[in-house]
Amino acid sequence: GESVGLHLPTLSVQEGDNSIINCAYSNSASDYFIWYKQESGKGPQFIIDIRSNMDKRQGQRVTVLLNKTVKHLSLQIAATQPGDSAVYFCAENINSGNTPLVFGKGTRLSVIA
Amino acid sequence: NAGVMQNPRHLVRRRGQEARLRCSPMKGHSHVYWYRQLPEEGLKFMVYLQKENIIDESGMPKERFSAEFPKEGPSILRIQQVVRGDSAAYFCASSQRTGAHGYTFGSGTRLTVV
Repeated sequence: GESVGLHLPTLSVQEGDNSIINCAYSNSASDYFIWYKQESGKGPQFIIDIRSNMDKRQGQRVTVLLNKTVKHLSLQIAATQPGDSAVYFCAENINSGNTPLVFGKGTRLSVIA
Repeated sequence: NAGVMQNPRHLVRRRGQEARLRCSPMKGHSHVYWYRQLPEEGLKFMVYLQKENIIDESGMPKERFSAEFPKEGPSILRIQQVVRGDSAAYFCASSQRTGAHGYTFGSGTRLTVV
């Protein structure tokens, strides 16, 4: 289940199940979106990206969905594994300009073996 | 290609001291971005630099913080007269060109102010 509190929202899933992590982005002018995975003590690691002219993109075991109407992004992880346990961040950017990435708050994914 | 290198990995400073954080971008990358991350929070943008130029410092506090990216050598984030609230993880990312495509992050420097 998902919980929200003073700390990062946490999503707990059973190993082998699919995970869906959601993100609401802020800037309607953003045209490029990235999902990052951050393991404890490490820097963010690129997972998958999507441009605003697409609404879905698939990678290996991951799918990103983009709904520009409601400014919503989701990351789906198929057959979740213990190694997927980490904090996941969405980030948005206006790729055509000199603007930096803006990160969302993050969701902690906890995989139960 | 060694990726983005940050050092030190851990830095402990007493209140009032100076902290210097270093970032060597990936080979061929001339754009550097610094972010700060507090525990249980997302990454907050601080400053964006290209060689010898500050492009955007809108996220960096006006006092005590400065950044540079000289023609030769790593990018430096400098925090003067550190306070306990400066304790955080500081991440550097680099890219080959303008925009987020190809951002690569380093492993960060964890600053603890005692």
